This record gives sequence, C-alpha cells and structure tokens, in this order.
Amino acid sequence: DTAVSQTPKYLVTQMGNDKSIKCEQNLGHDTMYWYKQDSKKFLKIMFSYNNKELIINETVPNRFSPKSPDKAHLNLHINSLELGDSAVYFCASSQGGARQPQHFGDGTRLSIL
Amino acid sequence: AQRVTQPEKLLSVFKGAPVELKCNYSYSGSPELFWYVQYSRQRLQLLLRHISRESIKGFTADLNKGETSFHLKKPFAQEEDSAMYYCAIATDKLIFGTGTRLQVFP
Repeated sequence: DTAVSQTPKYLVTQMGNDKSIKCEQNLGHDTMYWYKQDSKKFLKIMFSYNNKELIINETVPNRFSPKSPDKAHLNLHINSLELGDSAVYFCASSQGGARQPQHFGDGTRLSIL
Repeated sequence: AQRVTQPEKLLSVFKGAPVELKCNYSYSGSPELFWYVQYSRQRLQLLLRHISRESIKGFTADLNKGETSFHLKKPFAQEEDSAMYYCAIATDKLIFGTGTRLQVFP
C-alpha cells in the first residue's frame, strides 16, 4: 500500500497550458504539503494544509492553486504554465504539523516545452 | 532568517571509509532537525531526527547548539549509502539544505 501517492508521475506539456497534479495519503495524517525541487535538486516548500485549511503559502505565484477537498487529498492546479515551472513536484504528509516526520510521494516530473 | 547550509554538493569516499556530511543551521528558536535521504529512483524518506537520538543504518547525528550544527556521521561507509542527503530544520515549515550527494566507491 503506497502511503503518499501522486499522479501523474510524468507530465509533459506546452507553455501556456493548464495542468493538475493529484496527491492522496492513506496514513490518516492531518497535514499535507507541496514542494518544488528544481534542476539543482533544491527542495522548497510551496504550500501546507492542515485539516483542509491553508496554513503556509510560500510566495508562490497565484497561477498555482492548491485545493484540499478532504484531509487525505491535496491537489495542485497550475494555470498558464511557464518554462520556469519545469521541476519535480513532491507531495508530503505528516501528523501534527511540520515539526513531525514527513512522508513523501514519488514526485511528479513536470516538463514544459 | 531560518537557513540550512550544506557546504558540500558532492562527497566521494571509498567503501569502509568514515563519512561526515556537514549541516549548519540558523534559527533563533528551539529547532527540530532532520536528515532525509533520497536513494536513486526512490522517494525522499526520513533517515533520522535529532530528538530520537537513534542510529539508523549506522548513521548518527548530534545536535550542537553552540556551533548550530547537525552533522551526519557514519564510521564505515557502504556502497548502498550512495544517495542524496538533505538536512532540514522544522519550524512552522520544513526548510531544506541544498543537499549533499554521497558517492561510495567499491
């Protein structure tokens, strides 16, 4: 059983398109996150949700809109994709906030042509 | 500002050699510190956290508040330790260092 699962694994699309990445966790955790890993492997927090409420928005362009329909799901929708959005996006979850160990998904590699 | 510094991008050692991956942090409060590891083609996973004070896969890390460091150590490196290692500090969010790629040669 995969604890944190993301779909799709790979996403190749053109500039200007809109795309979504889905994330689900079956660990019963109350907090979920989106991270961006750039080409230099640097990992940076984008968003954090606790029990469906947004608690961290790390100065991400408003083309990125997270949505949490319930505490087991956190989706990421990206409008008007730009070349600089090419990266690996990781979903993660934890119980009790960021000071607790986080469980990560496999990542979604987004490539913008 | 909260920051995590991993000065080495790449660390190469031979099997059986000691390993130390450096991590320094800046944070004025009481930190929670972690080491995460990403093996080739696998997801990022927790290696250890400072409050548990345990040894995982032979790795240990001691929090030195005076030097604001949390270096990861292993006395005898194995080839299967080759991976990307991230030090991270947790406040209201998890802040990662830039990562160190450890290569262990046979």
